[in-house]
Amino acid sequence: GAVVSQHPSRVICKSGTSVKIECRSLDFQATTMFWYRQFPKKSLMLMATSNEGSKATYEQGVEKDKFLINHASLTLSTLTVTSAHPEDSSFYICSARDGLAGYSGTQYFGPGTRLLVL
Amino acid sequence: GQQLNQSPQSMFIQEGEDVSMNCTSSSIFNTWLWYKQEPGEGPVLLIALYKAGELTSNGRLTAQFGITRKDSFLNISASIPSDVGIYFCAGQGYDNNDMRFGAGTRLTVKP
Repeated sequence: GAVVSQHPSRVICKSGTSVKIECRSLDFQATTMFWYRQFPKKSLMLMATSNEGSKATYEQGVEKDKFLINHASLTLSTLTVTSAHPEDSSFYICSARDGLAGYSGTQYFGPGTRLLVL
Repeated sequence: GQQLNQSPQSMFIQEGEDVSMNCTSSSIFNTWLWYKQEPGEGPVLLIALYKAGELTSNGRLTAQFGITRKDSFLNISASIPSDVGIYFCAGQGYDNNDMRFGAGTRLTVKP
């Protein structure tokens, strides 16, 4: 099956610093990638949709200046949490959709990045 | 946005028992998917359903895409301890560029 990687797997940072999370599709081209946030024992909450070569589409209530998304290539999208605060601590998961399959393409998820802001 | 209702929220079963969980929606979906998530990991795709009425199996797992396109169920037969995890349903609309997830069913299997 399709493989999606995320880096780092976990990060601890001080309040006020910025953290960048990478999401890569390893064996397919992903014209669309998605970023989710998950709180403990909760479901996945879509934050934004990242399209290669264009601006990301953010869900209502998600600050685009806070969560910067860059999808510069067909295999890489990055999420930068700027000026992180303790309330940004969460499990961030990306997914990627096979570009050749269009809207019907299945999303494959990365292993997630656990962020802890002290 | 489209809302998915997944039930039950949690299940505690004995090894060897069968399990059933389902999702319903107020809106029609074009694709139904079932994922399993283990602690500290991302969701892993179990079964994808693309046609109303479709019944698909993956080993001991069987899932169906409801005829109305507003529901789906997942069955696990003869459960084993490694089935433990959270199972999420997800629906994808034909024109939507995203998926919506159910709240998850937390499965515990006692040996």
